[in-house]
Amino acid sequence: NAGVTQTPKFQVLKTGQSMTLQCAQDMNHNSMYWYRQDPGMGLRLIYYSASEGTTDKGEVPNGYNVSRLNKREFSLRLESAAPSQTSVYFCASSSQQGQPQHFGDGTRLSIL
Amino acid sequence: GNSVTQMEGPVTLSEEAFLTINCTYTATGYPSLFWYVQYPGEGLQLLLKATKADDKGSNKGFEATYRKETTSFHLEKGSVQVSDSAVYFCALRRYYGGATNKLIFGTGTLLAVQP
Repeated sequence: NAGVTQTPKFQVLKTGQSMTLQCAQDMNHNSMYWYRQDPGMGLRLIYYSASEGTTDKGEVPNGYNVSRLNKREFSLRLESAAPSQTSVYFCASSSQQGQPQHFGDGTRLSIL
Repeated sequence: GNSVTQMEGPVTLSEEAFLTINCTYTATGYPSLFWYVQYPGEGLQLLLKATKADDKGSNKGFEATYRKETTSFHLEKGSVQVSDSAVYFCALRRYYGGATNKLIFGTGTLLAVQP
């Protein structure tokens, strides 16, 4: 009964380093999402993938790239990490028919 | 544009007190409305939802009514417990006619319930 699984749970990076956050869902959902959560700002959408093979920018895409590797997996990459990207990152998925999104437990990322 | 505004926290209550967390929204058309809850160290979980005006969502003793006339979706619970301590997010979803449904979140309200 895994749902949405994110790895790693915690990571510390130095400015300029690269990093890929992994996300996998086992619910056969078509759509997947990456959010960042910052104090006082709620969750903001970084990128999303409506279906396998497609990706689109969300509200705050700068500094990130994504890959929808297959229907199950949707990764988020930071090519050159910056302190402003210190945040908690959440992956979510949903079916195509407008059902609610299911969230992973998050990745807490600190960039020094 | 679409947006969600919810009351700032933290909200501190004693056990068995009545809870209200205000949420108002701005949106064109007819969005669906949600409350999500985030317990410490965990991801967000759907608490309840409403998809059209005058719908009442309910779950685990929590309720919220979709009020189109006041563009509100306030969360209420008659008697809170210590285990309800969490961050609560109000969100709206516009269906964009394609294959996805993007959520717009409020900033979250921290609820702390004391025994």
